Amino acid sequence: GAVVSQHPSRVICKSGTSVKIECRSLDFQATTMFWYRQFPKQSLMLMATSNEGSKATYEQGVEKDKFLINHASLTLSTLTVTSAHPEDSSFYICSARGGRENYGYTFGSGTRLTVV
Amino acid sequence: GENVEQHPSTLSVQEGDSAVIKCTYSDSASNYFPWYKQELGKRPQLIIDIRSNVGEKKDQRIAVTLNKTAKHFSLHITETQPEDSAVYFCAASILGTGNQFYFGTGTSLTVIP
Repeated sequence: GAVVSQHPSRVICKSGTSVKIECRSLDFQATTMFWYRQFPKQSLMLMATSNEGSKATYEQGVEKDKFLINHASLTLSTLTVTSAHPEDSSFYICSARGGRENYGYTFGSGTRLTVV
Repeated sequence: GENVEQHPSTLSVQEGDSAVIKCTYSDSASNYFPWYKQELGKRPQLIIDIRSNVGEKKDQRIAVTLNKTAKHFSLHITETQPEDSAVYFCAASILGTGNQFYFGTGTSLTVIP
């Protein structure tokens, strides 16, 4: 079945530094990837949608200069949290479209970001 | 855009009892409704889904019903077990290239042994 690999699973960084999260589709070409943010005991909030080779579309209220998304190939999308602050601490999860299961939506395993 | 509401936010049931979670959606164009189970710190896992051309779908102890006219759909879990304890999310989407899922706010289900 469709597999999406997300790394790292956990990361702790200092305030002011940047963190890159990778999302890879392992056995299918992901034409579209979605990046979500999830606070404890809350739902998945869509941050942005990225299509391979084009600029990401950000949801209202998401700072595109702070959350840089790159989708340079059909199997890799990255989310970079720039100049991280403690309030950026959250669970970030990607979802890729292009696999045959679930009409093409497969979730990554998520990244727990803690900014200290 | 689409707005998905989910109730209840928390649900506790005795082992063996049934659990029902309900969602409503606002966009009549939505035609695909998946349900996800998420355990703490893990990715959401698809447990069942339904397309708008059917009213009910069942997979062992799990079933989903859809009422297109009223724009609501429900998840039914029968004979609940402790391992069913998790957060459940409903979602609505329009199938097609690049269309996102709109998620409900989640239901924390606890099955008491």
